[in-house]
Amino acid sequence: AQSVAQPEDQVNVAEGNPLTVKCTYSVSGNPYLFWYVQYPNRGLQFLLKYITGDNLVKGSYGFEAEFNKSQTSFHLKKPSALVSDSALYFCAVDGANNLFFGTGTRLTVIP
Amino acid sequence: EAQVTQNPRYLITVTGKKLTVTCSQNMNHEYMSWYRQDPGLGLRQIYYSMNVEVTDKGDVPEGYKVSRKEKRNFPLILESPSPNQTSLYFCASSFLGGSSLFFGEGSRLTVL
Repeated sequence: AQSVAQPEDQVNVAEGNPLTVKCTYSVSGNPYLFWYVQYPNRGLQFLLKYITGDNLVKGSYGFEAEFNKSQTSFHLKKPSALVSDSALYFCAVDGANNLFFGTGTRLTVIP
Repeated sequence: EAQVTQNPRYLITVTGKKLTVTCSQNMNHEYMSWYRQDPGLGLRQIYYSMNVEVTDKGDVPEGYKVSRKEKRNFPLILESPSPNQTSLYFCASSFLGGSSLFFGEGSRLTVL
């Protein structure tokens, strides 16, 4: 069965510092992995995805994620955090044309 | 503009009064899905559809119905709402085969 874990409910980081939001997954076969972001009172927006190829995936708003097969992880990263990055972030794994979401990590960037 | 449209965005209702939340997409997507979002639980899938007249249960289907008579529409029906269905609901759509989901803006439902 497919599943996704986001071990941190909350991540705080100072503006200008690098940020990491963690995600680990469990899936049979080759995973399709996604990151979505949710701003207050909005629907989720697609950030990036990994299907195959280069383990470092670049996405919207300067975000990137690193696929690590041996650690079954897909952590979201950004070299320099902005206050406007403060939002709720969801990791998701595709299993047989269905997306399974993690419980979300709230990122707060402190000015 | 490509979008997924949900209505109503906000609704307060009472236990047992049937309601429908509509969802429409204009991107010709085969796949549509309903999720509910609750604090600490993330997004949980209610029902999904891979094409017209093809629907299937997600993780939390109890108390909900759906239909897919047309490709663009995927309404969520609560025949007899109960307070535990108070939640934020999202409709989403995509092409099949690992495509990213497009989400609606959400429908906040309160059942008293």
